[in-house]
Amino acid sequence: SYVLTQPPSVSVAPGQTARITCGGNNIGSKDVHWYQQKPRQAPVLVVYDDSARPSGIPERFSGSNSGNTATLTISRVEGGDEADYYCQVWDGSSDHYVFGTGTKVTVL
Amino acid sequence: QVQLVESGGGVVQPGKSLRLSCAASGFTFNKYGMHWVRQAPGKGLEWVAVISYDGSSEYYADSVKGRFTISRDDSKNTLNLQMNSLRVDDTALYHCVKPGDRGAFDLWGQGTMVTVSS
Repeated sequence: SYVLTQPPSVSVAPGQTARITCGGNNIGSKDVHWYQQKPRQAPVLVVYDDSARPSGIPERFSGSNSGNTATLTISRVEGGDEADYYCQVWDGSSDHYVFGTGTKVTVL
Repeated sequence: QVQLVESGGGVVQPGKSLRLSCAASGFTFNKYGMHWVRQAPGKGLEWVAVISYDGSSEYYADSVKGRFTISRDDSKNTLNLQMNSLRVDDTALYHCVKPGDRGAFDLWGQGTMVTVSS
């Protein structure tokens, strides 16, 4: 089965840039989506199709995808960005949907 | 408004069954395939199952295949998950999820908690 690997945690100071990676075999050939989940809340889609933003999501959230790594970048980090972040893809070979292991972003 | 509201969760013994439901509103339900995604306490997200927009196709995570059945009732705008032979490791918050036109999960319910314990 397809596996997506994320770092367990990322720490960043306010105003700096946070980069969250999502590793998977040839992930660059897939569409990657990213979700933000704050404590006791349902996940929220923040980036879809590698780099597109849903309406209402700040431009500070951006994404890229190439080779074996997709990346979610949060620029000018704010305290409200503190949350768990998950990448997700559709694995066409199995018709399964796969989530990454999740990354906890801490704002120092 | 556009929302998904799950129900049916509870505490059940291992080996027993439970049926979850999800009431959809605010969008054209029969245009979309629908998913269940779960999250065990303190753990990450795990995709569970999907049913196509017309109910003709279903796919399941390996961990639930053969025990869970996803279904839909478009006349009631309702998504269901029949869970049989429940195990302790099925304990989780179960979310009903709608995909957007590009497939990403753009609408999530708040979830219903299932606890499997003797």
